[in-house]
Amino acid sequence: GNSVTQMEGPVTLSEEAFLTINCTYTATGYPSLFWYVQYPGEGLQLLLKATKADDKGSNKGFEATYRKETTSFHLEKGSVQVSDSAVYFCALSELTGGFKTIFGAGTRLFVKA
Amino acid sequence: KAGVTQTPRYLIKTRGQQVTLSCSPISGHRSVSWYQQTPGQGLQFLFEYFSETQRNKGNFPGRFSGRQFSNSRSEMNVSTLELGDSALYLCASSLSTGPNQPQHFGDGTRLSIL
Repeated sequence: GNSVTQMEGPVTLSEEAFLTINCTYTATGYPSLFWYVQYPGEGLQLLLKATKADDKGSNKGFEATYRKETTSFHLEKGSVQVSDSAVYFCALSELTGGFKTIFGAGTRLFVKA
Repeated sequence: KAGVTQTPRYLIKTRGQQVTLSCSPISGHRSVSWYQQTPGQGLQFLFEYFSETQRNKGNFPGRFSGRQFSNSRSEMNVSTLELGDSALYLCASSLSTGPNQPQHFGDGTRLSIL
């Protein structure tokens, strides 16, 4: 079945460091791809999305490009802040007899001042 | 604009009991999905409702059920509770159904089974 695999955490970075969180997927069709973020004590929030190959989603300095050839959707940010500390989830949505979203296991990011 | 509201926020039950969780979607949103989040299994899809119809269901036993009302509010029911049902249950709403629709999540109901 379809699945999402993302790098295990936790990832610990110093403020202003470059961030990459890897995400790869398997899908039979052409899913839409998402990154969601969960701050401590809060629910998930949509961070960015891409709905077709080569689309780039971006928000709050974060970017991810839908790479069909490598089935990847890696999350990047050029300079992280302490406030970016959270759990990041990669997800794909597909239409299989009904709309369904599959999430990766999540990657916890700690940013130190 | 009010977000997705889940009630109650916390719930403690014992094995064998049943529980009903409630979700009020963002006004105008017609699709509601439910997820179970646990440290071991992560986020797992339970089911999706659109226009009062269950459109898709995850791999959970029949003890897990749900419904959606004409105002798009949704309830999830778990019967004969087991210790393994302890989890954060998240509800998400979207304007419509379909893979391009971003979901808006509530803060969840944390269910603890003693």
